[in-house]
Amino acid sequence: QQQVKQSPQSLIVQKGGISIINCAYENTAFDYFPWYQQFPGKGPALLIAIRPDVSEKKEGRFTISFNKSAKQFSLHIMDSQPGDSATYFCAASRGSNYQLIWGAGTKLIIKP
Amino acid sequence: DAGITQSPRHKVTETGTPVTLRCHQTENHRYMYWYRQDPGHGLRLIHYSYGVKDTDKGEVSDGYSVSRSKTEDFLLTLESATSSQTSVYFCAISEVRVSSYEQYFGPGTRLTVT
Repeated sequence: QQQVKQSPQSLIVQKGGISIINCAYENTAFDYFPWYQQFPGKGPALLIAIRPDVSEKKEGRFTISFNKSAKQFSLHIMDSQPGDSATYFCAASRGSNYQLIWGAGTKLIIKP
Repeated sequence: DAGITQSPRHKVTETGTPVTLRCHQTENHRYMYWYRQDPGHGLRLIHYSYGVKDTDKGEVSDGYSVSRSKTEDFLLTLESATSSQTSVYFCAISEVRVSSYEQYFGPGTRLTVT
């Protein structure tokens, strides 16, 4: 119930295409769903986050889609650029202890 | 890196030796976390702190201990390092806001246990 399952493990997308990464969770008590971006040799950095009271959140080229009934959420990167090549992690948290439960990560490569 | 430093950045040590990793923040944030990152596992929480001298275990705490005597410093100790503790260790900080629990990460420490 504490797990967050992320797919795919790796993804190759052509420049200008749409990158889609999916996550699924079991614990309905989760109330905060962030996505983090990590470049090699660096710590993860918060990219965008959503709460379950909305179905979509957009920030620039990055969009989170949230499906509460299916217990799934996804990250969409529009007009993907080579600079987006990184590892992306989804996570989930419930308010009582502020801990994040992390997905295993997706290595995204954008081909120029 | 949001005012977070980790030291050392790289360390090679032998099995059975004690190792201490340091996380230092300049943000005066209440919450601090230690994670390890291994291929295929994402980030796994080792220990976290919600204030000076207030700490709790995460999902992979066996073999690790922590201490927080000052707001700005959070130490992670491997009492007797094992090869399975070879990993990249990240420290994170957060200050809970009404609308989010954003965590900010340090640059990481790469630890190799031979």
